Amino acid sequence: DQQVKQNSPSLSVQEGRISILNCDYTNSMFDYFLWYKKYPAEGPTFLISISSIKDKNEDGRFTVFLNKSAKHLSLHIVPSQPGDSAVYFCAATDTGTASKLTFGTGTRLQVTL
Amino acid sequence: DTAVSQTPKYLVTQMGNDKSIKCEQNLGHDTMYWYKQDSKKFLKIMFSYNNKELIINETVPNRFSPKSPDKAHLNLHINSLELGDSAVYFCASSQDLVEQFFGPGTRLTVL
Repeated sequence: DQQVKQNSPSLSVQEGRISILNCDYTNSMFDYFLWYKKYPAEGPTFLISISSIKDKNEDGRFTVFLNKSAKHLSLHIVPSQPGDSAVYFCAATDTGTASKLTFGTGTRLQVTL
Repeated sequence: DTAVSQTPKYLVTQMGNDKSIKCEQNLGHDTMYWYKQDSKKFLKIMFSYNNKELIINETVPNRFSPKSPDKAHLNLHINSLELGDSAVYFCASSQDLVEQFFGPGTRLTVL
């Protein structure tokens, strides 16, 4: 029962263009969402997060959008850079219960020159 | 000055053996976690400790036994290793119970 889904296993974007990574969730108790970035042979690193009381959070080139009614969030990277090439994991949690993150299966982003 | 470190990075062993993976964090966080990333790249929580006390145990076989000697360390001991235990194991720590800081992972291969 996968509560967080990233339906695109991979995405290729040209340098300078916008990258849009999508994530869907099924658990309506989730109220906090995070994006992690992972390079090969390294652990995931935190990128950006959003609380369910917001619908947008921005940090430099990274913006996360949350659509609660659709149970959908997306990460926008603009402009995309070659160093952004990595696997991006969406994660969600219910902050009212134990601190457990539920992860999606990741989307591999390739930014080409 | 690595924030979350794990040893070893790679572990190759035979079925039936017992092995341990160590994790240390120097961030002063109260909560530590073990995650398993399987062959389908699905990252799933196994255990969580807060100040040396177990707070999450996600129906992991009891062959897996975490041990937290102090809040900076959370080790994972695995008895009677099986082929299906082959995976990458990540340790993580957190202070705010949400944003988690991950170690580099330990790739376990059971032959």
